[in-house]
Amino acid sequence: AQSVTQLDSQVPVFEEAPVELRCNYSSSVSVYLFWYVQYPNQGLQLLLKYLSGSTLVESINGFEAEFNKSQTSFHLRKPSVHISDTAEYFCAVSGPKGGGNKLTFGTGTQLKVEL
Amino acid sequence: EPEVTQTPSHQVTQMGQEVILRCVPISNHLYFYWYRQILGQKVEFLVSFYNNEISEKSEIFDDQFSVERPDGSNFTLKIRSTKLEDSAMYFCASGNSPVAYFGPGTRLTVT
Repeated sequence: AQSVTQLDSQVPVFEEAPVELRCNYSSSVSVYLFWYVQYPNQGLQLLLKYLSGSTLVESINGFEAEFNKSQTSFHLRKPSVHISDTAEYFCAVSGPKGGGNKLTFGTGTQLKVEL
Repeated sequence: EPEVTQTPSHQVTQMGQEVILRCVPISNHLYFYWYRQILGQKVEFLVSFYNNEISEKSEIFDDQFSVERPDGSNFTLKIRSTKLEDSAMYFCASGNSPVAYFGPGTRLTVT
């Protein structure tokens, strides 16, 4: 069975400061990794994904995440956050590769960006 | 850009009643999913659907639940006899393996 741990339930940060949202996963097989973002009163939007290849993946709005197989982590980072980044962020894993595609989610991290 | 749509956005029903939640997946996607999120809890997988049949389901997805793709465009989740604990946000998703795109959700409130 797979599991995802997001240790930080809430992360407050000032605007223009850097942020890291931590995600660790547990799986005995090769996996795909995802970050989804949920803005207030909205659905889940795919932020970025790791499927294969380069372990550093980037989104169009400045977020990046690095797949670290040895540490079973997929932390999300942004060098300078904006007020509009305030949302809940979910890390998710699916696998094994080539098998079923159900997502296992972490409990989410609420990012609150303050002025 | 195409999106997954869901109706209704909010459904209130009485315990024991049947509800049908509707979804229109993105048109060229082959995999369809239902997830739910009870308030304050994590998003949980319910069921996946591929090639007109259930490909995987969780232990949450018991005999009270069923899914259907009645007309080649809609994808529905039926709960036969709702319980208080079925109150949650239900998300439909679709994709072509392995990426899934989610709809905005239907908030189901069982009273």
